[in-house]
Amino acid sequence: EVQLVESGGGLVQPGGSLRLSCTASGFRFGDYAMHWVRQVPGKGLEWVSGIIWNGHIKAYADSVKGRFTTSRDNAKNSLYLEMNSLRSEDTALYFCAKDSEGSNWHYFDSWGQGTLVTVSS
Amino acid sequence: DVQMTQFPSSLSASVGDRVTITCRASQATGSSLAWYQQKAGEAPKLLIYGTSTLHSGVPSRFSGSASGTDFTLTINSLQPEDVATYYCQNYNPGPLPFGGGTKVEIK
Repeated sequence: EVQLVESGGGLVQPGGSLRLSCTASGFRFGDYAMHWVRQVPGKGLEWVSGIIWNGHIKAYADSVKGRFTTSRDNAKNSLYLEMNSLRSEDTALYFCAKDSEGSNWHYFDSWGQGTLVTVSS
Repeated sequence: DVQMTQFPSSLSASVGDRVTITCRASQATGSSLAWYQQKAGEAPKLLIYGTSTLHSGVPSRFSGSASGTDFTLTINSLQPEDVATYYCQNYNPGPLPFGGGTKVEIK
């Protein structure tokens, strides 16, 4: 069974930094692209970032480009999101999601339960 | 970049009704369209991909179709367990936009 477990969320001040992690199990992590998707409580889904199987291609939403960095460690079955220069509008539940393919973007066939990031002074 | 406009934003229907949700792409996108279901307090779950292919385990009352840049999710015979918010997503090419969501309730 595929499992994705996010961690690292919390309260951070505007301008601060936070690193999210997603630990995967139940599938060959290194074979698949992975994504971060966020959701402001009570609002819709926003794709944040994606990374292909080997980490060589990454993509970001315009809203986070230049501030967020996605990486992965296939040996540790882990996905990361380094978030810098955080703003109040980054407050959201951050989901880790598994792509159905490895080297390009496709649909997301498994999701974690999310970790909450709150940016506030 | 492709943008997805989803409507209606909410609907209320009776058990057994047929429900239709539409997602309109701002430009031609091929068949790279997925639908997700998110129940309150839960993570989203994949329902349909490739416009019309049901994900494993999804009840057959769910179906997807397309006409030009309009994509449709249909729930035949709405059930109480279908209460949720539904999202479409264009996934190829990037940047993988979601529609705004449709909240489905039981009348």
